[in-house]
Amino acid sequence: DTEVTQTPKHLVMGMTNKKSLKCEQHMGHRAMYWYKQKAKKPPELMFVYSYEKLSINESVPSRFSPECPNSSLLNLHLHALQPEDSALYLCASSQDLREANYGYTFGSGTRLTVV
Amino acid sequence: DAKTTQPPSMDCAEGRAANLPCNHSTISGNEYVYWYRQIHSQGPQYIIHGLKNNETNEMASLIITEDRKSSTLILPHATLRDTAVYYCIVRLTDSWGKLQFGAGTQVVVTP
Repeated sequence: DTEVTQTPKHLVMGMTNKKSLKCEQHMGHRAMYWYKQKAKKPPELMFVYSYEKLSINESVPSRFSPECPNSSLLNLHLHALQPEDSALYLCASSQDLREANYGYTFGSGTRLTVV
Repeated sequence: DAKTTQPPSMDCAEGRAANLPCNHSTISGNEYVYWYRQIHSQGPQYIIHGLKNNETNEMASLIITEDRKSSTLILPHATLRDTAVYYCIVRLTDSWGKLQFGAGTQVVVTP
């Protein structure tokens, strides 16, 4: 298995809703990432997990809450989002955070719309 | 941070080689050059990476200048399916290997 699987592919949520995005990989990768991508912009890093521990939070608002329940799963819990949070949310994984000689594998993303 | 500079857009004829330039004049000696591409509304796809030597795989070739201040991604025979945004990225080894995307080059392959 050489894929990163993200669910759901599309999500519409109200500003008072609580929802979660899910990411799964079975490549034995020990680093996992969340990126946010607005239309016609490059992906922006949000969170980095290494060996199931949060390593980097790129000053993301607390309405986004990441969770890594085990080495294969990464969740992003969403609460009280704003319409400007509408974006493509991408998950990625890599073999090891500190090993620069290996690329990231990206999922196909979750298209989130906040209404 | 080692920044990259790419042209915002390029056109390429189907069947011809596409040469995508990237400048990274502040790159450090232990930083890799990575290339990814993103087809509309999909996740970024890894293409190739290198440190000092030229690299080739089934998708593309990467030519890195001797001073490492620039590189060129070569798609040998462009197809319509190669239409995408191509990102040249320097892998930051002093920031836990984060992958930071720049603006990229929009490549359009035409028949």
